[in-house]
Amino acid sequence: AQSVTQLDSQVPVFEEAPVELRCNYSSSVSVYLFWYVQYPNQGLQLLLKYLSGSTLVKGINGFEAEFNKSQTSFHLRKPSVHISDTAEYFCAVGPSGGYNKLIFGAGTRLAVHP
Amino acid sequence: DTGVSQDPRHKITKRGQNVTFRCDPISEHNRLYWYRQTLGQGPEFLTYFQNEAQLEKSRLLSDRFSAERPKGSFSTLEIQRTEQGDSAMYLCASSSNSFGNTIYFGEGSWLTVV
Repeated sequence: AQSVTQLDSQVPVFEEAPVELRCNYSSSVSVYLFWYVQYPNQGLQLLLKYLSGSTLVKGINGFEAEFNKSQTSFHLRKPSVHISDTAEYFCAVGPSGGYNKLIFGAGTRLAVHP
Repeated sequence: DTGVSQDPRHKITKRGQNVTFRCDPISEHNRLYWYRQTLGQGPEFLTYFQNEAQLEKSRLLSDRFSAERPKGSFSTLEIQRTEQGDSAMYLCASSSNSFGNTIYFGEGSWLTVV
């Protein structure tokens, strides 16, 4: 079984500042890792994913994440945020074999202030 | 690629009524998933289809819930005798069989039971 813990429920930040959203996971099997973003009243949009290979993964909208197997973490970062990045961010884990039954964290609300 | 579409986007129903949601996945995606998301939480897995076969159902899917995917194309999720606790957003998603098969989500169907 897998589980995901997003360590911050809310992260306030000023525009153009850097941000890190933290995600830890647990699993007894090899996993794929994902970050999704959800804007108000919308579905989820994939930001980036880690499947294998380089532990630093780059995604859309200038986001990147680093997979750390020893710390079982997959933190999301952006060097300079914009007002438009205000949204809910979800970390998810799925088994690397079979189909993608994703397990999601509770989400982190990123609020970017001018 | 027109994305995953869901209908209706919003539904308000009285307790005890039946409701049905429809999902049209991305064409050629043979895997289809239903998730449920309540306010302030991440999506929770409900069920998974491989083509027309329903291969897994979460224990969250009580006997009042039924999902179908006739002919392996669109899917329906029916809730019978709705309860207030069923109020949530129901998300449909689809993916292909390819490596690292990313799940693409629809915009969700909001259900409010009054």
